[in-house]
Amino acid sequence: EVQLVESGGGLVQPGGSLRLSCAASGFSFSDYWMHWVRQVPGKGLVWVSRINSVGRTTHYAGSVKGRFTISRDNANNALYLQMNRLRADDTAIYYCARGYYYMDVWGKGTTVTVSS
Amino acid sequence: QSVLTQPPSVSAAPGQNVTISCFGSTSNIGNNYVSWYRQMPGTAPRLLMFDNSKRPSGIPDRFSGAKSGTSATLGITGLQTGDEADYYCGAWDNNLYAVFGGGTRLTVL
Repeated sequence: EVQLVESGGGLVQPGGSLRLSCAASGFSFSDYWMHWVRQVPGKGLVWVSRINSVGRTTHYAGSVKGRFTISRDNANNALYLQMNRLRADDTAIYYCARGYYYMDVWGKGTTVTVSS
Repeated sequence: QSVLTQPPSVSAAPGQNVTISCFGSTSNIGNNYVSWYRQMPGTAPRLLMFDNSKRPSGIPDRFSGAKSGTSATLGITGLQTGDEADYYCGAWDNNLYAVFGGGTRLTVL
Protein backbone atom coordinates (compact mmCIF):
# COMPACT_ATOMS: atom_id res chain seq x y z
CA GLU A 1 0.00 0.00 0.00
CA VAL A 2 1.31 3.42 -0.95
CA GLN A 3 1.59 5.43 2.27
CA LEU A 4 3.02 8.63 3.68
CA VAL A 5 3.19 9.12 7.45
CA GLU A 6 4.20 12.45 8.95
CA SER A 7 5.64 12.93 12.42
CA GLY A 8 7.48 15.50 14.47
CA GLY A 9 4.75 18.04 15.03
CA GLY A 10 4.11 19.60 18.40
CA LEU A 11 4.04 22.77 20.45
CA VAL A 12 6.97 25.15 20.05
CA GLN A 13 7.59 28.70 21.19
CA PRO A 14 7.87 31.57 18.72
CA GLY A 15 11.42 31.75 17.42
CA GLY A 16 11.96 28.05 18.03
CA SER A 17 12.71 25.18 15.68
CA LEU A 18 11.06 21.91 14.73
CA ARG A 19 11.91 19.14 12.29
CA LEU A 20 9.09 17.30 10.57
CA SER A 21 9.56 13.86 9.05
CA CYS A 22 7.57 11.95 6.47
CA ALA A 23 8.05 8.20 6.12
CA ALA A 24 7.21 6.82 2.69
CA SER A 25 6.34 3.22 1.88
CA GLY A 26 4.78 1.14 -0.87
CA PHE A 27 6.44 2.94 -3.80
CA SER A 28 9.87 3.78 -5.16
CA PHE A 29 10.44 6.93 -3.11
CA SER A 30 13.60 7.94 -4.95
CA ASP A 31 11.67 8.27 -8.23
CA TYR A 32 9.38 11.06 -7.05
CA TRP A 33 9.39 14.75 -6.28
CA MET A 34 7.88 15.48 -2.87
CA HIS A 35 6.04 18.41 -1.33
CA TRP A 36 5.05 19.90 2.01
CA VAL A 37 1.64 21.57 2.15
CA ARG A 38 0.10 23.16 5.22
CA GLN A 39 -3.40 24.02 6.33
CA VAL A 40 -4.74 26.01 9.21
CA PRO A 41 -7.81 24.08 10.45
CA GLY A 42 -10.88 25.53 8.78
CA LYS A 43 -8.81 27.33 6.14
CA GLY A 44 -7.41 26.46 2.74
CA LEU A 45 -4.37 24.56 1.52
CA VAL A 46 -1.09 26.44 1.33
CA TRP A 47 1.91 25.04 -0.50
CA VAL A 48 5.17 25.22 1.46
CA SER A 49 7.97 23.54 -0.45
CA ARG A 50 8.99 20.82 -2.90
CA ILE A 51 12.15 18.83 -3.62
CA ASN A 52 13.20 16.84 -6.62
CA SER A 53 13.77 13.11 -6.61
CA VAL A 54 17.49 13.28 -5.84
CA GLY A 55 17.33 16.21 -3.44
CA ARG A 56 19.26 18.70 -5.53
CA THR A 57 16.43 21.05 -6.56
CA THR A 58 14.20 22.75 -4.00
CA HIS A 59 11.50 25.41 -4.17
CA TYR A 60 9.89 27.35 -1.34
CA ALA A 61 6.92 29.59 -0.72
CA GLY A 62 7.96 33.17 -0.08
CA SER A 63 6.59 33.06 3.46
CA VAL A 64 9.02 30.32 4.52
CA LYS A 65 12.05 30.95 2.31
CA GLY A 66 15.15 31.38 4.44
CA ARG A 67 13.49 29.83 7.50
CA PHE A 68 12.47 26.34 6.32
CA THR A 69 14.63 23.71 4.62
CA ILE A 70 13.28 20.69 2.79
CA SER A 71 15.49 17.62 2.44
CA ARG A 72 15.24 13.90 1.86
CA ASP A 73 17.02 10.64 2.59
CA ASN A 74 16.29 8.25 -0.26
CA ALA A 75 18.15 5.41 1.43
CA ASN A 76 15.62 5.54 4.25
CA ASN A 77 12.57 6.66 2.24
CA ALA A 78 12.22 9.81 4.31
CA LEU A 79 11.33 13.42 3.64
CA TYR A 80 12.09 16.21 6.10
CA LEU A 81 11.16 19.81 6.78
CA GLN A 82 13.47 21.72 9.09
CA MET A 83 11.57 24.74 10.40
CA ASN A 84 13.50 27.53 12.09
CA ARG A 85 12.52 30.95 13.44
CA LEU A 86 8.97 29.73 13.78
CA ARG A 87 6.16 32.26 13.99
CA ALA A 88 2.57 32.07 15.20
CA ASP A 89 1.33 32.12 11.61
CA ASP A 90 3.25 28.87 10.93
CA THR A 91 0.68 27.10 13.12
CA ALA A 92 -1.01 24.53 10.89
CA ILE A 93 -1.40 20.91 9.95
CA TYR A 94 1.56 19.97 7.75
CA TYR A 95 1.04 17.37 5.03
CA CYS A 96 3.68 15.68 2.95
CA ALA A 97 2.57 14.77 -0.55
CA ARG A 98 4.00 12.97 -3.54
CA GLY A 99 4.20 14.46 -7.00
CA TYR A 100 5.88 16.77 -9.47
CA TYR A 101 3.36 19.53 -10.20
CA TYR A 102 0.30 17.81 -8.72
CA MET A 103 0.06 15.74 -5.54
CA ASP A 104 -1.30 12.25 -6.00
CA VAL A 105 -0.60 10.78 -2.56
CA TRP A 106 -1.00 12.63 0.74
CA GLY A 107 -0.16 11.78 4.31
CA LYS A 108 -2.60 12.33 7.16
CA GLY A 109 -0.64 15.32 8.45
CA THR A 110 1.12 16.38 11.62
CA THR A 111 0.09 19.41 13.68
CA VAL A 112 2.47 22.24 14.48
CA THR A 113 1.46 24.82 17.06
CA VAL A 114 3.62 27.89 17.59
CA SER A 115 2.65 29.59 20.81
CA SER A 116 4.15 30.90 24.03
CA GLN B 1 -5.74 35.41 0.17
CA SER B 2 -5.26 32.53 -2.28
CA VAL B 3 -3.66 32.99 -5.69
CA LEU B 4 -6.39 31.00 -7.42
CA THR B 5 -9.98 32.17 -6.96
CA GLN B 6 -12.84 29.79 -6.22
CA PRO B 7 -16.38 30.45 -5.03
CA PRO B 8 -16.55 29.85 -1.26
CA SER B 9 -19.58 27.59 -1.57
CA VAL B 10 -21.90 25.86 -3.99
CA SER B 11 -24.95 23.76 -3.32
CA ALA B 12 -27.35 21.56 -5.20
CA ALA B 13 -29.84 18.78 -4.58
CA PRO B 14 -29.02 15.07 -4.84
CA GLY B 15 -29.03 13.92 -8.44
CA GLN B 16 -28.38 17.37 -9.83
CA ASN B 17 -25.19 18.61 -11.48
CA VAL B 18 -22.80 21.26 -10.22
CA THR B 19 -19.72 23.08 -11.46
CA ILE B 20 -16.94 24.69 -9.45
CA SER B 21 -14.86 27.38 -11.08
CA CYS B 22 -11.22 28.29 -10.53
CA PHE B 23 -9.66 31.49 -11.85
CA GLY B 24 -5.96 32.15 -12.11
CA SER B 25 -3.52 33.97 -14.34
CA THR B 26 -1.15 33.39 -17.24
CA SER B 27 1.68 32.47 -14.84
CA ASN B 28 -0.24 29.53 -13.37
CA ILE B 29 -3.41 28.14 -14.98
CA GLY B 30 -2.77 29.89 -18.28
CA ASN B 31 0.46 27.99 -18.89
CA ASN B 32 0.27 24.92 -16.66
CA TYR B 33 -1.98 22.00 -15.88
CA VAL B 34 -4.73 22.26 -13.28
CA SER B 35 -5.40 19.66 -10.60
CA TRP B 36 -8.35 19.29 -8.25
CA TYR B 37 -8.50 17.87 -4.73
CA ARG B 38 -11.34 16.83 -2.48
CA GLN B 39 -11.09 17.05 1.30
CA MET B 40 -13.62 15.48 3.60
CA PRO B 41 -13.87 16.98 7.11
CA GLY B 42 -10.99 15.93 9.32
CA THR B 43 -9.13 14.08 6.58
CA ALA B 44 -6.26 14.75 4.20
CA PRO B 45 -6.90 16.04 0.68
CA ARG B 46 -7.29 13.48 -2.08
CA LEU B 47 -6.42 13.97 -5.75
CA LEU B 48 -9.58 14.15 -7.86
CA MET B 49 -8.32 15.36 -11.23
CA PHE B 50 -4.93 16.05 -12.81
CA ASP B 51 -3.69 17.48 -16.09
CA ASN B 52 -6.91 19.51 -16.33
CA SER B 53 -9.22 16.62 -17.09
CA LYS B 54 -7.67 13.26 -16.19
CA ARG B 55 -9.14 11.17 -13.40
CA PRO B 56 -6.92 9.02 -11.17
CA SER B 57 -8.00 5.43 -10.88
CA GLY B 58 -10.92 5.03 -8.52
CA ILE B 59 -12.49 8.41 -9.31
CA PRO B 60 -15.84 7.88 -11.05
CA ASP B 61 -16.66 9.48 -14.38
CA ARG B 62 -19.27 11.63 -12.64
CA PHE B 63 -16.32 13.94 -12.10
CA SER B 64 -14.92 15.93 -15.01
CA GLY B 65 -12.45 18.73 -15.48
CA ALA B 66 -11.85 21.38 -18.11
CA LYS B 67 -9.55 24.33 -18.66
CA SER B 68 -9.90 27.37 -20.86
CA GLY B 69 -7.37 30.17 -20.84
CA THR B 70 -6.70 31.18 -17.25
CA SER B 71 -9.70 29.40 -15.72
CA ALA B 72 -10.69 25.84 -14.96
CA THR B 73 -13.85 24.04 -14.01
CA LEU B 74 -14.66 20.92 -12.05
CA GLY B 75 -17.96 19.30 -12.92
CA ILE B 76 -19.86 16.78 -10.84
CA THR B 77 -22.95 15.05 -12.21
CA GLY B 78 -25.54 13.04 -10.33
CA LEU B 79 -24.70 14.57 -6.95
CA GLN B 80 -24.64 12.25 -3.97
CA THR B 81 -24.67 13.13 -0.28
CA GLY B 82 -21.20 11.59 -0.06
CA ASP B 83 -19.90 14.31 -2.39
CA GLU B 84 -20.21 16.88 0.38
CA ALA B 85 -16.67 18.13 0.94
CA ASP B 86 -14.26 20.97 0.30
CA TYR B 87 -12.85 21.12 -3.22
CA TYR B 88 -9.57 22.80 -4.10
CA CYS B 89 -8.01 23.61 -7.43
CA GLY B 90 -4.24 23.73 -7.77
CA ALA B 91 -1.59 24.54 -10.33
CA TRP B 92 2.13 25.14 -10.65
CA ASP B 93 3.13 28.76 -11.12
CA ASN B 94 5.96 29.71 -13.47
CA ASN B 95 7.41 31.80 -10.62
CA LEU B 96 8.47 28.46 -9.09
CA TYR B 97 5.81 27.71 -6.54
CA ALA B 98 2.55 25.79 -6.36
CA VAL B 99 -0.72 27.59 -5.85
CA PHE B 100 -4.13 26.54 -4.61
CA GLY B 101 -7.56 28.06 -4.63
CA GLY B 102 -9.20 29.03 -1.37
CA GLY B 103 -11.51 26.03 -1.55
CA THR B 104 -15.20 25.56 -2.31
CA ARG B 105 -17.53 23.92 0.18
CA LEU B 106 -20.03 21.72 -1.67
CA THR B 107 -23.32 21.19 0.12
CA VAL B 108 -25.73 18.57 -1.14
CA LEU B 109 -29.12 19.81 0.00
